This record gives sequence, C-alpha cells and structure tokens, in this order.
Amino acid sequence: AQRVTQPEKLLSVFKGAPVELKCNYSYSGSPELFWYVQYSRQRLQLLLRHISRESIKGFTADLNKGETSFHLKKPFAQEEDSAMYYCALSGGAGGTSYGKLTFGQGTILTVHP
Amino acid sequence: DVKVTQSSRYLVKRTGEKVFLECVQDMDHENMFWYRQDPGLGLRLIYFSYDVKMKEKGDIPEGYSVSREKKERFSLILESASTNQTSMYLCASSTRASGRYIQYFGAGTRLSVL
Repeated sequence: AQRVTQPEKLLSVFKGAPVELKCNYSYSGSPELFWYVQYSRQRLQLLLRHISRESIKGFTADLNKGETSFHLKKPFAQEEDSAMYYCALSGGAGGTSYGKLTFGQGTILTVHP
Repeated sequence: DVKVTQSSRYLVKRTGEKVFLECVQDMDHENMFWYRQDPGLGLRLIYFSYDVKMKEKGDIPEGYSVSREKKERFSLILESASTNQTSMYLCASSTRASGRYIQYFGAGTRLSVL
C-alpha cells in the first residue's frame, strides 16, 4: 500500500528565514511525487513535481529514494507563501494508476512578517 | 486554461437526505476524481472514473456512489447523508500528457449534514 506522511501539521517561520516542509512516503515501485498548495480561499493547485526538477516560486524539492523523502524547501520564506501544503504520490503513469494521488495530511505554513 | 467547476460552493442538508454533488470539466479529460478534505487527514480518494460509465472505488467509498454518464460530468451521490459526511469535497480531473498525469481541482463544495 502506498502512504504519504507529513509529520508537521503546523509550521511557523519569520519572513526571510529558510523553510522546509517534510514529506516521507512508502511505495514499492517508482513513484511520482508532487507538492500541491492551497492558498486562502483558492483552489488546490500543483506547485511542483519531482519529475520536472524545477524551482517554482523559489521552492525546490528533491526526491531521495534512499530516505523515501520529498521535502519541500525554500531558502527565504515570504509572507505570501503562507498556505496549506500537501505532498502527494502517484503510482506512475503506467498501468492502471490513472494518475490517482495519495495525499499526506497537509502542513499549514505561516510566514510571519 | 483547465476549468473544473463544482456546482455548489456550500450545501446544507439533513440526515437521511439523498445528496448530489456535481462536477464538470471543460478539457475533455478522461479521468475524474472525488476526494474529501478533512483537517489532519488531508485529501482522501472516494471514487474515480477513467472513462464514461467506468468507475473504481477509492480509499473511502462507503456511503457514496458516483455517476459518469458524460465525459465532462462526474457526480458524487450520498445515498443517505449522515453527519460524519460533513466535509469539504473536491473534484479533480486529469489526462495523460507527455506520459504523465497532472490533476486539476475544482474550488470545492463544503457540505454540512445536520
């Protein structure tokens, strides 16, 4: 069975401080990992995915297969980063996964001025 | 721009009522999903559909059913609503592009069952 764990329900940092949102997963095959973000009163949207190896809004995430982790990082947090963040796993594009996602519990990030 | 539209933003229903949540997408996506979002539990998959009239159970299908008569529309049905089904419900759609799937979400329907 696949599982995603986000150990922190709440994370508070000050503006300009580094931030790291933790995500660990369990999956027997080769997963695809995603970070989704939900800003206040907005719909859930894709932030980034490991396959793209890109930086979005200053955030990066590296898939560490040895530690089965996909932590989200940003060197200098901004107030507008305050949101709910979800880590999600898909069982890959093949077979019958249809891109189904398994989500973690979510982390509320608050960036104080 | 992908658009996933959920017909109601807020719904209040009584215990035992039959409830329909509607979702429409305008991008000809094959796959559609229903999740419920609860604090501390994240999003949990209720049902998904990979084609018209095709459906599969997700992780928490009990008490729910779905209908997909047309490609663009996916309905979630609560046969007899109960208070423990009070939640935020999110619909999503996806298609395969460049060998990968990305899900696009609706704004959500907040359902209260009294």
